[in-house]
Amino acid sequence: EIVLTQSPGTLSLSPGERATLSCRASQSVTNYLAWYQQKPGQAPRLLIYGASSRATGIPDRFSGSGSGTDFTLTISRLEPEDFAVYYCHQYGSSFGGGTKVEIK
Amino acid sequence: EVQLVESGGGLVRPGGSLRLSCSASGFTFSSYGMHWVRQAPGKGLRYVSAISSNGGSTNYADSVKGRFTISRDNSKNTLFLQLSSLKVEDTAVYYCVKASSSGWYTPLDYWGQGTLVTVSS
Repeated sequence: EIVLTQSPGTLSLSPGERATLSCRASQSVTNYLAWYQQKPGQAPRLLIYGASSRATGIPDRFSGSGSGTDFTLTISRLEPEDFAVYYCHQYGSSFGGGTKVEIK
Repeated sequence: EVQLVESGGGLVRPGGSLRLSCSASGFTFSSYGMHWVRQAPGKGLRYVSAISSNGGSTNYADSVKGRFTISRDNSKNTLFLQLSSLKVEDTAVYYCVKASSSGWYTPLDYWGQGTLVTVSS
C-alpha cells in the first residue's frame, strides 16, 4: 500500500499570507492525486484533482502541482474561510494524515 | 443538486454487525462509482471501500477486507456497506462518497454528511 505523508502537520499563518502544503508518496502515483478541504463539523470538499486541476467552483487562489511522488497545494493569499484541514488522496486508496492551516 | 444521505449507523458491540445505506439523488447513480470513507473521532480520513458503477468491481482497505462488504442497488439509487466482526477501532463517521466517473480509481467529487458507527461494549 502506498503511504502518503503530509507536512507540516500544522501551519500557522495570517490572512493574506501564502500557504504551501506538501504531500509525499512512498512510491509513484503519477498524477492520480487529489486534495480535499475539511472544516470542523463538515464533510470534505474536493479542491484539486489530477494533481493540478481545480474542481468546479474552487477559487483560483488554490493551485496544485507535482507528479510522481512529490506534490504541493498552494493557497496564494489566505482568506478567513480557508483555515481548515487539508488532505491529499491517492485515487481509490490512501489519504495523507492532513495538514491543519490555523490562524496565527 | 447531488445529495447523498447515509443511514444505519449506531451503537454496536464488538463482534457485531451493522448495515449502512446511502440514498443518492441529483445524478444518474448507475453511471458512477461510489466509495465509503471513514473518520474516527478527531482523526484523519481513511479509505474503506469502493465499487464501480455496475457493481462488477470492488476494492477494500486491508483493515476491513473480509469483514466489510460493499454493494449497490442501481434500481433504488442506493449504496450499501455491510459491516461484520466489528472492532472498537472501527468506530468512526462513515461517509458515502461519489466518484467522478464510472470506475472507482477517480477523484471523489461529492460527499454525504456521514453516519456515526460506535463499537463499544
